[in-house]
Amino acid sequence: ETGVTQSPTHLIKTRGQQVTLRCSSQSGHNTVSWYQQALGQGPQFIFQYYREEENGRGNFPPRFSGLQFPNYSSELNVNALELDDSALYLCASSLGLAESYEQYFGPGTRLTVT
Amino acid sequence: KQEVTQIPAALSVPEGENLVLNCSFTDSAIYNLQWFRQDPGKGLTSLLLIQSSQREQTSGRLNASLDKSSGRSTLYIAASQPGDSATYLCAVGPGPTGANNLFFGTGTRLTVIP
Repeated sequence: ETGVTQSPTHLIKTRGQQVTLRCSSQSGHNTVSWYQQALGQGPQFIFQYYREEENGRGNFPPRFSGLQFPNYSSELNVNALELDDSALYLCASSLGLAESYEQYFGPGTRLTVT
Repeated sequence: KQEVTQIPAALSVPEGENLVLNCSFTDSAIYNLQWFRQDPGKGLTSLLLIQSSQREQTSGRLNASLDKSSGRSTLYIAASQPGDSATYLCAVGPGPTGANNLFFGTGTRLTVIP
């Protein structure tokens, strides 16, 4: 069984640019959540997708957007990058929306904005 | 608003010692609590998931307890080893956004000295 994978591993972008991060969920999982983890902090919830629809969003501006595809893989897009967007971006998948379902995390994408 | 606090922020112990990591949360209306391990620059590895109806979970040398009414959880690590050195994160779900997301503490950085 393949776990959650993310690409790329590392990325360096310039302020003002746009970036797309990708996530493949664990087999059989239809729910994907994205988190941002700044250095020395716990992960902060960005948004969640369930069966291709957004199902909740944290306190992030609209320049953070996402997609979920029919195979339940997902993308996180960030426009007009700012220096504070530098962080580890984590994707997590679960079997569904039920609170009892465990969330499984990928290895993350390290984004550096210069 | 849910707040998750982990004490201590950092802990250094000699190999072989038993230790306890603490997690507290302000809103007791949670469905589950997860403990994660994070190695430097890496993703999250789930250690234990406790449903709100449970009081504790055990896996090998790890034991996690949950007291929902008092808003507290502890992670007990027996006979610590240098390989246990990592940051340990506690997370409660669901978060306050209405989605089935996790709300994280800032972690305890554990160093086990050989």
